[in-house]
Amino acid sequence: SQQGEEDPQALSIQEGENATMNCSYKTSINNLQWYRQNSGRGLVHLILIRSNEREKHSGRLRVTLDTSKKSSSLLITASRAADTASYFCATDAAGSQGNLIFGKGTKLSVKP
Amino acid sequence: DTGVSQDPRHKITKRGQNVTFRCDPISEHNRLYWYRQTLGQGPEFLTYFQNEAQLEKSRLLSDRFSAERPKGSFSTLEIQRTEQGDSAMYLCASSPWTGDNNEQFFGPGTRLTVL
Repeated sequence: SQQGEEDPQALSIQEGENATMNCSYKTSINNLQWYRQNSGRGLVHLILIRSNEREKHSGRLRVTLDTSKKSSSLLITASRAADTASYFCATDAAGSQGNLIFGKGTKLSVKP
Repeated sequence: DTGVSQDPRHKITKRGQNVTFRCDPISEHNRLYWYRQTLGQGPEFLTYFQNEAQLEKSRLLSDRFSAERPKGSFSTLEIQRTEQGDSAMYLCASSPWTGDNNEQFFGPGTRLTVL
């Protein structure tokens, strides 16, 4: 079963704009991770945020986590055409053995 | 390139045939995971290994599926008597799991098409 729900399902923006994707989940977590997947390829880890963290930055990426609302957001600033991909949130549920539960993803299209 | 490799990258088979996929993880990673991904969906967990021990299996993993990691290095996933519903991308990931950080490194996947 899939725990995370990303919103929106698809997002189309112009190069240089910011892109925000949201993720909601259902159970308590150890951490939440964001991954990127280019069409037909494997997933690439972007960032991990632990349950006791509220915000994390990595380059042009900013992730927030609100455990009281069971939600997270991924902000990509100054987007580039190369950011075009699907983005997935994945939760490491509390009490689990480390396997991740993924959402359905947000398909981001950045137009040059 | 994450350092995780999978072979083959594509497999087309006829219904009822057996198929086997291989995953070579990052060598120092103790955990290896298998996921399945269908079109428009996120990956779904199938099973994972801690070194050579298979510690958890999803209910998605029917009796026709078997996975091994004989020496705690590479892993194989076999599907017997394939069905059209098995058509999907099969992803392998490895992790240096320390209990605090289970960042996973994914391979490129094996795309299975069952005719």
